[in-house]
Amino acid sequence: AQTVTQSQPEMSVQEAETVTLSCTYDTSESDYYLFWYKQPPSRQMILVIRQEAYKQQNATENRFSVNFQKAAKSFSLKISDSQLGDAAMYFCACDTGTASKLTFGTGTRLQVTL
Amino acid sequence: DTGVSQDPRHKITKRGQNVTFRCDPISEHNRLYWYRQTLGQGPEFLTYFQNEAQLEKSRLLSDRFSAERPKGSFSTLEIQRTEQGDSAMYLCASSSREIPYEQYFGPGTRLTVT
Repeated sequence: AQTVTQSQPEMSVQEAETVTLSCTYDTSESDYYLFWYKQPPSRQMILVIRQEAYKQQNATENRFSVNFQKAAKSFSLKISDSQLGDAAMYFCACDTGTASKLTFGTGTRLQVTL
Repeated sequence: DTGVSQDPRHKITKRGQNVTFRCDPISEHNRLYWYRQTLGQGPEFLTYFQNEAQLEKSRLLSDRFSAERPKGSFSTLEIQRTEQGDSAMYLCASSSREIPYEQYFGPGTRLTVT
């Protein structure tokens, strides 16, 4: 079984600033994938970024990047140059190499202020 | 590519009634997943299909729940004798043969049991 923990229920960032959302996970699998999903209010879940566990290089997608620390089982998301549209619930998730299901954390609500 | 669609978007039913939800995955995605999300929580896995075969079911999926994907395209999730505890958002996701671990979510069906 795998678990995903997000210890920050809420975070706030000013527009144009940088914010980091934390996530830790636990799995006994050696082959797995990690994801950050964004869920805007009343809108559907959107994949933000993914990281393959076998890759040492941290994934980057435009203003979004991750800090993947495999030994520490840590997977944080950094959002640079925050925009009002970044306001949403962010979920960290893990999938073992079988691609059969995602295990999600409880989410972090991100507020972006002017 | 029209994305994952779900119908209905909202359903209000009385306790004891049966309800059925439909999910249409992204065209040619061979994997289809069902999740349940309650308020303030991350989605929890219910079941998944590869083509028409149901390969895994969560313990959350009690005997009152049944899912089908008869032709390997759309899927239905039926809940019999609904209970107030079934009130939740039911999310569907799909993934491709080429990138099976990358799931794309639909907008969800919000079920309220009164």
